Amino acid sequence: NAGVTQTPKFQVLKTGQSMTLQCAQDMNHNSMYWYRQDPGMGLRLIYYSASEGTTDKGEVPNGYNVSRLNKREFSLRLESAAPSQTSVYFCASSESGGGQPQHFGDGTRLSIL
Amino acid sequence: GENVEQHPSTLSVQEGDSAVIKCTYSDSASNYFPWYKQELGKRPQLIIDIRSNVGEKKDQRIAVTLNKTAKHFSLHITETQPEDSAVYFCAASIRGGGSQGNLIFGKGTKLSVKP
Repeated sequence: NAGVTQTPKFQVLKTGQSMTLQCAQDMNHNSMYWYRQDPGMGLRLIYYSASEGTTDKGEVPNGYNVSRLNKREFSLRLESAAPSQTSVYFCASSESGGGQPQHFGDGTRLSIL
Repeated sequence: GENVEQHPSTLSVQEGDSAVIKCTYSDSASNYFPWYKQELGKRPQLIIDIRSNVGEKKDQRIAVTLNKTAKHFSLHITETQPEDSAVYFCAASIRGGGSQGNLIFGKGTKLSVKP
């Protein structure tokens, strides 16, 4: 089992560009999450999907959109990237929708110039 | 808003000693308290968790204690080894931890175990 797979692993963008971060899990989990991690900070929830077909805002949703494409895949989109969105992004999944991420991906390191 | 305070921010111990990391939370409805370990450049890994109906939970060399009255919980690592060196994050569920509830994370403790 691959667990939670994120692509890409690294990306550099210019301010104003858009991109989509991809996440897929092969554990048949119902819930998926997107977090960002900044230096000296803990993880902060951007969006989550408690089950297929539902998405909800987390702590820091501004500037992001998400799509729960199917049970396996949950993508995060930056429509117009800003330097403040430079961060490491982690996707996670869990069996149930209790806000309790069990398995994380390896992360995407995103730099916006 | 709700928050989780984690102390200390850095902790250095000798191999074989014990390490204790403490967290306090503000949401009295919190009922789930996980701990994550993150090695440098790696993904966070869930290492232990505790729910509000339990006061203590152990798993080999790690244990977590919870004091709901005081709204604090702690991670205890005994017989530390160099491979325990990592950043440890505590978290607490907010709004009861249901489908509308999520985790608030502490800012992390960098643990260094010296051989």
